Order: sequence, then C-alpha cells, then structure tokens
Amino acid sequence: GAVVSQHPSRVICKSGTSVKIECRSLDFQATTMFWYRQFPKQSLMLMATSNEGSKATYEQGVEKDKFLINHASLTLSTLTVTSAHPEDSSFYICSATSPMDSLFGGNTIYFGEGSWLTVV
Amino acid sequence: QKEVEQDPGPLSVPEGAIVSLNCTYSNSAFQYFMWYRQYSRKGPELLMYTYSSGNKEDGRFTAQVDKSSKYISLFIRDSQPSDSATYLCAPFSGGYQKVTFGTGTKLQVIP
Repeated sequence: GAVVSQHPSRVICKSGTSVKIECRSLDFQATTMFWYRQFPKQSLMLMATSNEGSKATYEQGVEKDKFLINHASLTLSTLTVTSAHPEDSSFYICSATSPMDSLFGGNTIYFGEGSWLTVV
Repeated sequence: QKEVEQDPGPLSVPEGAIVSLNCTYSNSAFQYFMWYRQYSRKGPELLMYTYSSGNKEDGRFTAQVDKSSKYISLFIRDSQPSDSATYLCAPFSGGYQKVTFGTGTKLQVIP
C-alpha cells in the first residue's frame, strides 16, 4: 500500500481563491518532504523542500508567498496555493524521505499519488 | 547544461522487444541512480536503483551505470504492453538531499 498519501487527488478551484494540498507519511516520520510540480509532458520540477519545524527552502523562481508550505508535524506537510490562477493548474506531487529501508545512505524516497489542480 | 539529460521520446516498440532507456548527468556527486516509472496521471513509483557504477538486474529490468562517462541506462527485456509508461531517471547524492529528475522517456509497447 501507499506509504505517502496525498489529498485531494483532484481539485478544481476558481481563479483568485486558495487551495490546500496535504501530504502525509504513513507509518513513518518524515523530517523532510519535497514538493514537485509537473506540467503536461514535462518532468517533475522541485518546488521546495519542507522541513519539519522550520521554514521551507524554495527553489529559484518559486514564489514562497504564493506557494505556502507548512510542515507542522512529522507526518504532515501542506502546500497552499494562494490566489490561484489558471497558469497554476498542474500536477503537484510530494515525496517523503523514510529512514526505514536503508536504501540510500539510510533513507528511501517515496512519492505520493499526486494532486491534480485545475484553476478555472 | 542541465544536470540530467534524458530523451523524452516517445519510444514505440513491439511487444517482446528489448528496450533501452538512457540518461546522462553532469554532477559528479551523484552516487545513487534511480529509475522511476510513472503511469499517466499517477505519482512516480521506484522501479530500480543502483549505487555507483555497475549493473543490477531485477527480473526483466537491468539498470546500468557508468560513472566515468556519467551515463545511466535501463534495459527492459521481453517488453510488455503493461510496461507502457514514462520512465524517469533520477540520480541522487543520498541522505536527505533533493532528487533531480530527467525529463522522462515515454514508452509505448504495442501488442
């Protein structure tokens, strides 16, 4: 079963409104989560690194005031798209690093199922 | 130069064919080399990974890394229609570092 859960899987919102996407790690604590955005026929582009208990680290070109990230607990990170516009319509995916499986220097990376955002 | 380069395809092959998917990268710090498979409108799933140079085989899949030339390959033998997906290479430094993805190669296996 999924070890990282995202919700909602699909959301449609009106232009100018805000929408929140949740990313939960199941059965493990994730001190670090990553948020990606994927436009059609393009690869995943890292938006930000979410660290539990501290501010997120944003990639160059990503507006931190528009894409608010909160990692308030070890199992939950949220991405809020504020004042959404049609160009924000995309597939948003989170990933979480689990220390359980010891694959990559002691960590394994799991992805959520993604959230489709459509801004109309 | 992009950190990871991958031919986006699409690549169409007949069922049963051997498929070769490739990536090049520029960052010498990458130590782990992952391949993800992504079906349409789904999140990526980890398919295989290798550490440093060498080969790794898992069923019909073989991952190959040549660090000297910074070249990563994934081979699929006896390809099946269910293999139709986008394959993303993802070299990685390890630990809690971010993962850099290739653009992904879209593969279609025709019955």
